Amino acid sequence: GQSLEQPSEVTAVEGAIVQINCTYQTSGFYGLSWYQQHDGGAPTFLSYNALDGLEETGRFSSFLSRSDSYGYLLLQELQMKDSASYFCAVAQAGTALIFGKGTTLSVSS
Amino acid sequence: EAGVTQSPTHLIKTRGQQATLRCSPISGHTSVYWYQQALGLGLQFLLWYDEGEERNRGNFPPRFSGRQFPNYSSELNVNALELEDSALYLCASSLLAGQGRGYTFGSGTRLTVV
Repeated sequence: GQSLEQPSEVTAVEGAIVQINCTYQTSGFYGLSWYQQHDGGAPTFLSYNALDGLEETGRFSSFLSRSDSYGYLLLQELQMKDSASYFCAVAQAGTALIFGKGTTLSVSS
Repeated sequence: EAGVTQSPTHLIKTRGQQATLRCSPISGHTSVYWYQQALGLGLQFLLWYDEGEERNRGNFPPRFSGRQFPNYSSELNVNALELEDSALYLCASSLLAGQGRGYTFGSGTRLTVV
């Protein structure tokens, strides 16, 4: 089976940097994705890592270590609009994305 | 380009009834995925359809079923509704089947079972 672990809640202030970690156990691993979901809205795709290392997209970066079955999402220069739930998800052979339970990020002023 | 559309937005059903939820993928996307999002449980994988065929299903009972039509739209049927089926049901589509990247989600159908 598969399992993903990520913190349930993270709090930070505007302008800060926050890191959301994700550890996984799975077979046939292709890559790790990150999605953002604002309250009651549709999850939106943020990033995908298939290889080890850091991928940067604007204020957001995502990291993967396949040997450690570990990844993280790094959010810089936090803004109030970044308050949302963030999900890591594993892509694996022969099945759809499997999501973690999500991390609720609260950004305060 | 229209995104993934789901209907209805909200659905209220009585325990024991059947619910039918519909999803239209992005034009050109052949894979459709269904997820259940109950409070505090993240997104639980239900079903994956590609080219009209069911490719995989998650750990849900057989009363959760669906199909994909020739135009790649899909419907999810939930029979013998139970109170714990109350959740947000999300549909997603992707261009690359089973690659696990770049899913585009719809806004979901909020199903309430009373």
